[in-house]
Amino acid sequence: SQQGEEDPQALSIQEGENATMNCSYKTSINNLQWYRQNSGRGLVHLILIRSNEREKHSGRLRVTLDTSKKSSSLLITASRAADTASYFCAARGGNEKLTFGTGTRLTIIP
Amino acid sequence: DSGVTQTPKHLITATGQRVTLRCSPRSGDLSVYWYQQSLDQGLQFLIQYYNGEERAKGNILERFSAQQFPDLHSELNLSSLELGDSALYFCASSSGLAKYEQYFGPGTRLTVT
Repeated sequence: SQQGEEDPQALSIQEGENATMNCSYKTSINNLQWYRQNSGRGLVHLILIRSNEREKHSGRLRVTLDTSKKSSSLLITASRAADTASYFCAARGGNEKLTFGTGTRLTIIP
Repeated sequence: DSGVTQTPKHLITATGQRVTLRCSPRSGDLSVYWYQQSLDQGLQFLIQYYNGEERAKGNILERFSAQQFPDLHSELNLSSLELGDSALYFCASSSGLAKYEQYFGPGTRLTVT
């Protein structure tokens, strides 16, 4: 079963706009990671935030983590057509398993 | 290119058959993970190996087994295949345990007819 639930399931925005995706998880975590998957391809690691961190930036990506609410968000600023993909959060618990969320399918409209 | 290779890319086989999927991790990575991705179940963690030893087990069926060899490549064996086993199977590797990000291979698309 999925540990994480992502919201929204699908999102379409105009190129240049910001995209925000949310993730909720169920148990305590060691870290939370975000991955991108282009259709039918392997996942690509985007960013990792540790449980003692609240916010992290990487280029146009901004990730926040609220362990009290067991939630995280991924913000992609100034979106581009190449950002069209599915985005997954993955929670790493103490048992070393990485449990993926259901994913958000992001479409950037040129 | 993540540096993780998987073969074959596509596999079509009949119910009841057995197949072997192969994965070569990134150079230097000791951990190998296997995942199954299907439309109805999403991305499911199957099993992890670290330096040849089984480290963690997820939703892996008894019909499935895996191993990691001394050269660190890994194989996932799927037997008595059912239609519902049709999915994308991904291998990922990481340099260590727990806190490290994973690097995914391109996947093997298995179709059971």
